[in-house]
Amino acid sequence: AQSVAQPEDQVNVAEGNPLTVKCTYSVSGNPYLFWYVQYPNRGLQFLLKYITGDNLVKGSYGFEAEFNKSQTSFHLKKPSALVSDSALYFCAVRDRGGGNKLTFGTGTQLKVEL
Amino acid sequence: GAGVSQSPSNKVTEKGKDVELRCDPISGHTALYWYRQRLGQGLEFLIYFQGNSAPDKSGLPSDRFSAERTGESVSTLTIQRTQQEDSAVYLCASSAQGQVGQPQHFGDGTRLSIL
Repeated sequence: AQSVAQPEDQVNVAEGNPLTVKCTYSVSGNPYLFWYVQYPNRGLQFLLKYITGDNLVKGSYGFEAEFNKSQTSFHLKKPSALVSDSALYFCAVRDRGGGNKLTFGTGTQLKVEL
Repeated sequence: GAGVSQSPSNKVTEKGKDVELRCDPISGHTALYWYRQRLGQGLEFLIYFQGNSAPDKSGLPSDRFSAERTGESVSTLTIQRTQQEDSAVYLCASSAQGQVGQPQHFGDGTRLSIL
């Protein structure tokens, strides 16, 4: 069965500093990987995905993520955080082998402070 | 429409009542998903539709939960004889098919509270 782990419930960072939100996954074979962001009382918004190709994926709002097959990780990064980036971030995986459902991590609350 | 629309946005009901939650996907999206998000937790998959068929119902937690989709468009999630543990935000998502790794686009959810 596929699974996703987000080891940090919360990440705090100062505005202007780089941020990293961690994600590791477990699937059989090669995965499709996604990052979503959720603002209060809203649904999830798609940020970026890894399907194949370059290990560094660029997405919306200046976010990027690095796929590392050997470490089965897909960490979300941004070079310079903004207060408006404060939100709940979810990593998700879809198994290529079958089914279309996404398996989500438990989410990481990002807080960016002045 | 421009995005996935869910109604109602909030629903408060008494334990034991039946509820229906509606999802209007993005026009042309053939795949539709329902998820449940309990307070402070991640999303749990409930059911997946491809067209009007549901090839994966593996996440439905009990036979009190059912869902249907008609016209390859609107979907309804029905919870019968609601229990307090059904309180959660129910999220619907849709995606296009035909291309590898299409992202799912989410509605804002229905916040269900069982008294």
